[in-house]
Amino acid sequence: NAGVMQNPRHLVRRRGQEARLRCSPMKGHSHVYWYRQLPEEGLKFMVYLQKENIIDESGMPKERFSAEFPKEGPSILRIQQVVRGDSAAYFCASSPVQALNSPLHFGNGTRLTVT
Amino acid sequence: AQSVTQPDIHITVSEGASLELRCNYSYGATPYLFWYVQSPGQGLQLLLKYFSGDTLVQGIKGFEAEFKRSQSSFNLRKPSVHWSDAAEYFCAAAHSGNTPLVFGKGTRLSVIA
Repeated sequence: NAGVMQNPRHLVRRRGQEARLRCSPMKGHSHVYWYRQLPEEGLKFMVYLQKENIIDESGMPKERFSAEFPKEGPSILRIQQVVRGDSAAYFCASSPVQALNSPLHFGNGTRLTVT
Repeated sequence: AQSVTQPDIHITVSEGASLELRCNYSYGATPYLFWYVQSPGQGLQLLLKYFSGDTLVQGIKGFEAEFKRSQSSFNLRKPSVHWSDAAEYFCAAAHSGNTPLVFGKGTRLSVIA
């Protein structure tokens, strides 16, 4: 039973380019969460999605960032016109239900470097 | 504002020694509490969680944590540390319902021989 799969593991983009981060949740999981980890910082919540719906995007920057979780395929976190401050590790987590007694399963993250 | 504080950025312990990692939370009511571990280049793995009931919680890998309401704390402990325990440890909290996990900044644990 594969865990949460994130790709790519490492992504390098020049300023102004677009970054697309993919997350395939564990089999049977329909809830996906995206977190960002800056150096020397903990994880900051970005967005919570269920299939085809954004449930909570209170942690998403208002501009350039978007997320989706289509009916088929992985969840995508898209960052348009990247800037150096976007360099971070982005983690995806999934759970089968939206309940805190169902622990989150994390992927190994995508490390984005903006040059 | 709701927050989780881990006062220690970096801790070094000798292999075989005991360990305690501190975590304090600031919430209106007692939140659900979690400890996660992150090995270098990896995602986070859940060590243990507290929802209610017995204030001493047992987790995986020999870890335990004690919830103390009077101190708003949820410290992680291990009686005897192994070199493989070297990692980053994150305390996290959330209310029931739809609120997402709020993480502390983490404590990096180094283990020396």
